[in-house]
Amino acid sequence: LAKTTQPISMDSYEGQEVNITCSHNNIATNDYITWYQQFPSQGPRFIIQGYKTKVTNEVASLFIPADRKSSTLSLPRVSLSDTAVYYCLVGDMLGSGTYKYIFGTGTRLKVLA
Amino acid sequence: ETGVTQTPRHLVMGMTNKKSLKCEQHLGHNAMYWYKQSAKKPLELMFVYSLEERVENNSVPSRFSPECPNSSHLFLHLHTLQPEDSALYLCASSHNRGPLDYNEQFFGPGTRLTVL
Repeated sequence: LAKTTQPISMDSYEGQEVNITCSHNNIATNDYITWYQQFPSQGPRFIIQGYKTKVTNEVASLFIPADRKSSTLSLPRVSLSDTAVYYCLVGDMLGSGTYKYIFGTGTRLKVLA
Repeated sequence: ETGVTQTPRHLVMGMTNKKSLKCEQHLGHNAMYWYKQSAKKPLELMFVYSLEERVENNSVPSRFSPECPNSSHLFLHLHTLQPEDSALYLCASSHNRGPLDYNEQFFGPGTRLTVL
């Protein structure tokens, strides 16, 4: 199983760009990288998913270096409502191995006014 | 109703009670999941049903019993629980191309369970 490591917590100010890095040294060839956001007392919500290089959607960007042993979630111009826990996961998109969908401890982001 | 719904949203039960949690997805997905989230701990995957077959059971105690009668409904039957089972129980669904596929999951709001 590809284990992920993230910082436990981060603080930022409104309007700043926030980058959260996740380490996944034993990522497998078939593994995709996915990030979720979770607010208190709610289920996680999908943010972005990628395999390599850079992926961008309306809420975030995901940067993945060539060796894929880490990934960085970038949140542009955060607001107070972005205060949440962010989880990085790796998983097998091709279903060729044992089912893997492991949430780590996540990164608790606090956005300050 | 849209998305993934869970009932009840809150449940308080004694250790000798039997209760059930219900999850329903209105997304046309073919896989459903139960997770447990305790305070200050990461989400723990409990059960996975893909194409109505149970494909994962992560060493969950037998006092938790899942049931998936069809691709839209998922139950978690609870019996003789312990206080340490108090947690937020989350249901999720996804559209998988195969039994062990991995794809974006949509989560319900969860059931906050308290065992006295």
